Amino acid sequence: GAVVSQHPSWVICKSGTSVKIECRSLDFQATTMFWYRQFPKQSLMLMATSNEGSKATYEQGVEKDKFLINHASLTLSTLTVTSAHPEDSSFYICSAPPPGLLNSPLHFGNGTRLTVT
Amino acid sequence: AQKVTQAQTEISVVEKEDVTLDCVYETRDTTYYLFWYKQPPSGELVFLIRRNSFDEQNEISGRYSWNFQKSTSSFNFTITASQVVDSAVYFCALSTTGTGNQFYFGTGTSLTVIP
Repeated sequence: GAVVSQHPSWVICKSGTSVKIECRSLDFQATTMFWYRQFPKQSLMLMATSNEGSKATYEQGVEKDKFLINHASLTLSTLTVTSAHPEDSSFYICSAPPPGLLNSPLHFGNGTRLTVT
Repeated sequence: AQKVTQAQTEISVVEKEDVTLDCVYETRDTTYYLFWYKQPPSGELVFLIRRNSFDEQNEISGRYSWNFQKSTSSFNFTITASQVVDSAVYFCALSTTGTGNQFYFGTGTSLTVIP
């Protein structure tokens, strides 16, 4: 079945540095990918929709300049947390819908646990 | 607007007990899809089931069963004879034809099965 791979699974960085998270669709092309953020014991909150070949669509309240999204190919979307701060520490999950069918179950990456010290 | 409510934040049961996780949704769309996902402590989201709004037939898969009732806008999930491996956070989610592939997640129910 369709698989989404996310890397790294965890990362620790110092305040002020930038961190890049990759999301790959392994056996299908994904023109759209979704980036979610999950705080401890909370739900998944959609941050942005990544569109291949065009600008990402950000949800209200999400800083575009802080969370840079690049969807340069049909199988790769990246989320870069720039100038990270401790409050950016969270669990970030990407997802992609299988091709062709709206409202199909999303395929999720295994998530990236970011800790900013 | 789309909304999913999971009123139960945490549930604890003793192994072999049955447990029902509630999910109530709101949407004005007539065509929509409901999902349940399981998130074990490792963090990955595991797809469990999808139902569309035109299919109210209840479904059973092993120890899992789902009760979809449009009259009450509910899509409840029952685990029969719970096991320790069922311990996880369970999310109910909604997507509609109007929102394409965008999902709206409930706040999740943390289930702990005590051996």
